[in-house]
Amino acid sequence: DSGVTQTPKHLITATGQRVTLRCSPRSGDLSVYWYQQSLDQGLQFLIQYYNGEERAKGNILERFSAQQFPDLHSELNLSSLELGDSALYFCASSPQGVLVYGYTFGSGTRLTVV
Amino acid sequence: SQQGEEDPQALSIQEGENATMNCSYKTSINNLQWYRQNSGRGLVHLILIRSNEREKHSGRLRVTLDTSKKSSSLLITASRAADTASYFCANVIQGAQKLVFGQGTRLTINP
Repeated sequence: DSGVTQTPKHLITATGQRVTLRCSPRSGDLSVYWYQQSLDQGLQFLIQYYNGEERAKGNILERFSAQQFPDLHSELNLSSLELGDSALYFCASSPQGVLVYGYTFGSGTRLTVV
Repeated sequence: SQQGEEDPQALSIQEGENATMNCSYKTSINNLQWYRQNSGRGLVHLILIRSNEREKHSGRLRVTLDTSKKSSSLLITASRAADTASYFCANVIQGAQKLVFGQGTRLTINP
């Protein structure tokens, strides 16, 4: 157990639907990062939050949004789902920034869009 | 696009042999990190090397960094079946607050 908790572990949903992925960072970590991993694109950075505020944005689609709540857990919302959104979605956390610390990853949410 | 590229994409060796994986990157970095991922699971942080360091050890792992060549290597000595996994290098681009991952090297240790 890495200390980063992601739920659900698996999710199967239909095209056009909306889902919410949840992440609880390791105790004491203020930064949360979301990544998408697919076979053809590898690990793609989506978005970072630090202590409730958005800090960096990557290749995140407009159909996707995220937020970090006062208790530091984060949610990634994916809407108008397409087949191509099927992937592993990882959340990672770090104490502050990533400059001096590595990430602690959760075990991921496997999203299948049918 | 990915910042780093690992080489080789796949590596298969016998148990007990050493495994070497290489990583190249494109722009100046603050640090470079290596991660391991067992099939379909979360990534595990292995080691971090700062841009002013040239070599770092952790157990059976040895990482080198050559900033002039923009490259790093990960050496796993005396490999074990449990080392079978994908290995990713990731770097923090100067001025950014995120890790950028390469495509990974798939390592298979044959008993």
